[in-house]
Amino acid sequence: GAGVSQSPSNKVTEKGKDVELRCDPISGHTALYWYRQSLGQGLEFLIYFQGNSAPDKSGLPSDRFSAERTGGSVSTLTIQRTQQEDSAVYLCASSPRRGAAYEQYFGPGTRLTVT
Amino acid sequence: ILNVEQSPQSLHVQEGDSTNFTCSFPSSNFYALHWYRWETAKSPEALFVMTLNGDEKKKGRISATLNTKEGYSYLYIKGSQPEDSATYLCAQNVDAGNMLTFGGGTRLMVKP
Repeated sequence: GAGVSQSPSNKVTEKGKDVELRCDPISGHTALYWYRQSLGQGLEFLIYFQGNSAPDKSGLPSDRFSAERTGGSVSTLTIQRTQQEDSAVYLCASSPRRGAAYEQYFGPGTRLTVT
Repeated sequence: ILNVEQSPQSLHVQEGDSTNFTCSFPSSNFYALHWYRWETAKSPEALFVMTLNGDEKKKGRISATLNTKEGYSYLYIKGSQPEDSATYLCAQNVDAGNMLTFGGGTRLMVKP
């Protein structure tokens, strides 16, 4: 079946612009996660959704970052007034349900470059 | 140990060599330990999820062990092949949810 998809695959934007990154999880997966990998860094957790709600937003790096999920499916990560330090690969993952023992299925990522 | 740590950072081996690398993690509040393989230009792919002390898992030539009391996991690759070249990530759940804390990864390069 179809895996996790993300769009766009690459995004180059000017500093100060807003960007939206999209994630389509595997159908039926109730849990959805956003991570990012900055250059030379490990994968960093940003936010997760159980259904449409995000119980823990503590991983978002600043109030310029927000995320939503609608219909228990598609999620959008929005970065307002982008800064150069936002340049990273943003990965989305989904899981059949919330729980430590469930593996996560990752999308191919969006490479964001802020110039 | 406060964070998930992996060693070595990178590893070059010859085709046919067996190899192993280490993931160290805080032993308190342990829920699960995940291993992922991330090939260049592809998505990270789950290898194993381990939850019990003493767990051993195997998938083909790759296997993993888990020691939750001392806070480490080993990943073994027997008879490395060029297609095993990838970054191997371990990640820990620190609560019952899915939030994963990742290590920095071990980049494996297998020369033909």
